[in-house]
Amino acid sequence: DTEVTQTPKHLVMGMTNKKSLKCEQHMGHRAMYWYKQKAKKPPELMFVYSYEKLSINESVPSRFSPECPNSSLLNLHLHALQPEDSALYLCASSRATGMNTEAFFGQGTRLTVV
Amino acid sequence: AQSVTQLDSQVPVFEEAPVELRCNYSSSVSVYLFWYVQYPNQGLQLLLKYLSGSTLVKGINGFEAEFNKSQTSFHLRKPSVHISDTAEYFCAVSDRGGFQKLVFGTGTRLLVSP
Repeated sequence: DTEVTQTPKHLVMGMTNKKSLKCEQHMGHRAMYWYKQKAKKPPELMFVYSYEKLSINESVPSRFSPECPNSSLLNLHLHALQPEDSALYLCASSRATGMNTEAFFGQGTRLTVV
Repeated sequence: AQSVTQLDSQVPVFEEAPVELRCNYSSSVSVYLFWYVQYPNQGLQLLLKYLSGSTLVKGINGFEAEFNKSQTSFHLRKPSVHISDTAEYFCAVSDRGGFQKLVFGTGTRLLVSP
């Protein structure tokens, strides 16, 4: 199984709402990532978890709150978002150590903030 | 810090013609190189990767790429394209070892017409 599953596929939320994006993998990967992709732009790294600990936060606003409850799951909690946060949010996973690492991406959650 | 340049934002080509998508990178350390493809409203799919060894790398769907260290390039090629190859192609770079912090180029839109 080389699949990274993201739910929901689409999400529309108001600026006062609280919602969560979910990501799951069963490849035994110990590194998991959140990327944000605006329309017609490349993905940009937001967060990296390694062995369930936050390793990288690319200066992301606090209205985005990541959580890694176990080695298979990664969440992104959203609160008080702005319309400019509308984007495709991509989750990825990979081995955390050694060579020959390769990131596997999910299909993404298309988020619209209204 | 690393960076990736994809000079061609869009490449139009006729079906069954050859194509080359250009990628140049900049890094002060040795890196891994990747090409990903993204179909509309989809996540990213890995086409091929260069980690070490042979500089000619073969990937899925008939694509190949050649790593040229002296020119810091990693151009993607396909000898004969199909309509179904129409998509966005991203070149990416990451540090060697450990988890992958991918830095993407701005992408090249491949448009295949009959």
